[in-house]
Amino acid sequence: NAGVTQTPKFRILKIGQSMTLQCTQDMNHNYMYWYRQDPGMGLKLIYYSVGAGITDKGEVPNGYNVSRSTTEDFPLRLELAAPSQTSVYFCASISGEGSYEQYFGPGTRLTVT
Amino acid sequence: DAKTTQPNSMESNEEEPVHLPCNHSTISGTDYIHWYRQLPSQGPEYVIHGLTSNVNNRMASLAIAEDRKSSTLILHRATLRDAAVYYCILRDIYNFNKFYFGSGTKLNVKP
Repeated sequence: NAGVTQTPKFRILKIGQSMTLQCTQDMNHNYMYWYRQDPGMGLKLIYYSVGAGITDKGEVPNGYNVSRSTTEDFPLRLELAAPSQTSVYFCASISGEGSYEQYFGPGTRLTVT
Repeated sequence: DAKTTQPNSMESNEEEPVHLPCNHSTISGTDYIHWYRQLPSQGPEYVIHGLTSNVNNRMASLAIAEDRKSSTLILHRATLRDAAVYYCILRDIYNFNKFYFGSGTKLNVKP
């Protein structure tokens, strides 16, 4: 199993541009998450999904959108990028309600200038 | 949401035990205590979790206070590879969707 994969690894955006961060897991996990991590800080939850077609907001959803059309994929969309969205983005998954181990991807480092 | 408090940083010598504390005075009866760690330039990884009793696994031990208002992650013999940021997280079994990470403790291991 590849686990949780994220693309791209790095990206530089100009202010106002849009992009989609891709996240795929091959463990058939129901729950998927997007976090952002600003320099020297902990992770903040952006959005999460409990299954295909079901998403919900986390702590910091403004400026982002998500969709979950399949179990495997959970893309994160940035519209009108702003410098405040410069961060490292992590995708994670967990199998279900009784699970305790969250699996993380390697992260995408995004810079908005 | 229940919050945790951890020291910003700690230092340890290689091959010595390390005790990483976490305060969670507002913990509820349905909160599990989870520990994750984040190695440099990587995503977090699971370390251990518990509810009321002390727990051991191949990576670490978790000691939970009797009143559950604090816990301690114990690395029995620190290695250089254990240098990481350690996060103590509370996860409600009825709101299990969400993990709230604090700032964590940065552990430095000296050779």
